[in-house]
Amino acid sequence: DTGVSQNPRHKITKRGQNVTFRCDPISEHNRLYWYRQTLGQGPEFLTYFQNEAQLEKSRLLSDRFSAERPKGSFSTLEIQRTEQGDSAMYLCASSPPRWTGGADETQYFGPGTRLLVL
Amino acid sequence: AQRVTQPEKLLSVFKGAPVELKCNYSYSGSPELFWYVQYSRQRLQLLLRHISRESIKGFTADLNKGETSFHLKKPFAQEEDSAMYYCALGTGTASKLTFGTGTRLQVTL
Repeated sequence: DTGVSQNPRHKITKRGQNVTFRCDPISEHNRLYWYRQTLGQGPEFLTYFQNEAQLEKSRLLSDRFSAERPKGSFSTLEIQRTEQGDSAMYLCASSPPRWTGGADETQYFGPGTRLLVL
Repeated sequence: AQRVTQPEKLLSVFKGAPVELKCNYSYSGSPELFWYVQYSRQRLQLLLRHISRESIKGFTADLNKGETSFHLKKPFAQEEDSAMYYCALGTGTASKLTFGTGTRLQVTL
């Protein structure tokens, strides 16, 4: 499967615990995005990486959230001291470099990690 | 700030009937509009984008800047079209997407 992959697919944790999710983008994609989706809502933007640089963060990304993309390939999203309100589907997406064949702005999504905080 | 509105949570149509999923956006800059679809137990995937002006699976969408709309249309609904449809607006140098709340399309016999 050459698509975006995310691990784990499901995570159940207790309030106050830390969790970390991983996203592996499509290999030639240098742009990577994290979104969060709660029930009945569309995905909401969290943060954006171009290569290893984190270029944009949403106000939704509180200081308990941190994302990294150390080598410009896979990315991790960590949530510290989880709260019940963090329960959601966390989606990762990637897209190719802007100069590719007419600037394909399509974002390709992974299957998501569903987090439940008890 | 940018916003995408999909007024219908659920749209139920009979097979063979025309479909129109509404999407309105609010953005002061030059918008990039997309329709994403999520079939049961599958990941979110691109259906079409306004810049391509293409028809995918019989669906079309035209960007109307005057009405700030990007409605998705199909002349004859098929059972396999049943899915969740999200309209999305791409903005800024990051092209981050702002999604609507989605419309569930249910095609019945």
